[in-house]
Amino acid sequence: GQQVMQIPQYQHVQEGEDFTTYCNSSTTLSNIQWYKQRPGGHPVFLIQLVKSGEVKKQKRLTFQFGEAKKNSSLHITATQTTDVGTYFCAGKTFSGGYNKLIFGAGTRLAVHP
Amino acid sequence: EAGVVQSPRYKIIEKKQPVAFWCNPISGHNTLYWYLQNLGQGPELLIRYENEEAVDDSQLPKDRFSAERLKGVDSTLKIQPAELGDSAVYLCASSLKGPGTGSNETQYFGPGTRLLVL
Repeated sequence: GQQVMQIPQYQHVQEGEDFTTYCNSSTTLSNIQWYKQRPGGHPVFLIQLVKSGEVKKQKRLTFQFGEAKKNSSLHITATQTTDVGTYFCAGKTFSGGYNKLIFGAGTRLAVHP
Repeated sequence: EAGVVQSPRYKIIEKKQPVAFWCNPISGHNTLYWYLQNLGQGPELLIRYENEEAVDDSQLPKDRFSAERLKGVDSTLKIQPAELGDSAVYLCASSLKGPGTGSNETQYFGPGTRLLVL
């Protein structure tokens, strides 16, 4: 079936270092969304990318959607302890007669002060 | 504006017992989702409602799981009987579906119900 793969599974960084998580889909996506889940919390929407090659920025976060609309990345510049959490990508695709949002397994980010 | 409300927040039951979860979506949101999230995994869709209609229940294990969304607002998810493998966090989310497939259907998640089946 359709899959959305995320790497790495875990990432430990020192505060101030950069961080990147990658998301790959087995099929072309109509759009991709990114969510952040703090420890013990629930997923919170960050952004949606729709266009091929689209790049969006939110302060220190940069999101990119691949030209083939099958991959995406989230890059955090100069991480802070408040960035701790799990980052999920979720790809929207049409499957089995339904529009589905398929979540990756997430990348858990730990930031050491 | 109140967010998505779920109850209970935690539930511990013995296997073979029934359990029910309740969700109140954000006011005005026509689409409601139930997800299951296992530890270290992303949310997996169980069922999606548009108003009171279940438009995607392809991932719902219908032998033991059931859901309803009466009047297109609140929703309940039931498991009967529960099995050990059902231990997980059950997340409810809601969104406002706009026209077209490219609309921004941001999903707003509730705090979830953490279920432990012993």
